[in-house]
Amino acid sequence: AQSVAQPEDQVNVAEGNPLTVKCTYSVSGNPYLFWYVQYPNRGLQFLLKYITGDNLVKGSYGFEAEFNKSQTSFHLKKPSALVSDSALYFCAVRDMWGSNYQLIWGAGTKLIIKP
Amino acid sequence: SAVISQKPSRDICQRGTSLTIQCQVDSQVTMMFWYRQQPGQSLTLIATANQGSEATYESGFVIDKFPISRPNLTFSTLTVSNMSPEDSSIYLCSVESGRDQETQYFGPGTRLLVL
Repeated sequence: AQSVAQPEDQVNVAEGNPLTVKCTYSVSGNPYLFWYVQYPNRGLQFLLKYITGDNLVKGSYGFEAEFNKSQTSFHLKKPSALVSDSALYFCAVRDMWGSNYQLIWGAGTKLIIKP
Repeated sequence: SAVISQKPSRDICQRGTSLTIQCQVDSQVTMMFWYRQQPGQSLTLIATANQGSEATYESGFVIDKFPISRPNLTFSTLTVSNMSPEDSSIYLCSVESGRDQETQYFGPGTRLLVL
């Protein structure tokens, strides 16, 4: 069965420090991987995706994520955190070649950046 | 990416009544999705709506409770019928976009409180 795990409910980082939000996945075929961000009282915003090619993908607001096939991970990273990065982050996976191509969502990780 | 608007942005309703949520997209899209999200939690897919066909509902959601219309390629509505306090949630519509229709983009959401 397809699944996505975000092992941390909350991540706390000091402003200016690097941040990592973890995501691991399980799909039977080729994964399409996504990160979304949700600011308070807002809808979800697409950040970045991995489809194929370079394992390091860059997205909006200085975020990047690294696809690691052997570890089935797609961790979100940013070299220097901003207070404005505080939000709820969701990882999602889709098996584009499977019979069920729906997006499977992680539980979300609350990122808190402290000044 | 598509620009998506939803109406209303929020509402407070009495139990037993119904509310229709509108979703408008600035471009023609084949597939539209309706999700439910409890604040701070992950997303649950309610149904997928293709223009010109009946919506496809996920397990636990039925047409009588959540009727959906999809009259054209830029518009959809979701009705929450005979509401109870358990229906209090955020309702999000999304569309697929991108070269391979692989990425979902979301509207700002409708916050519903049922008293």
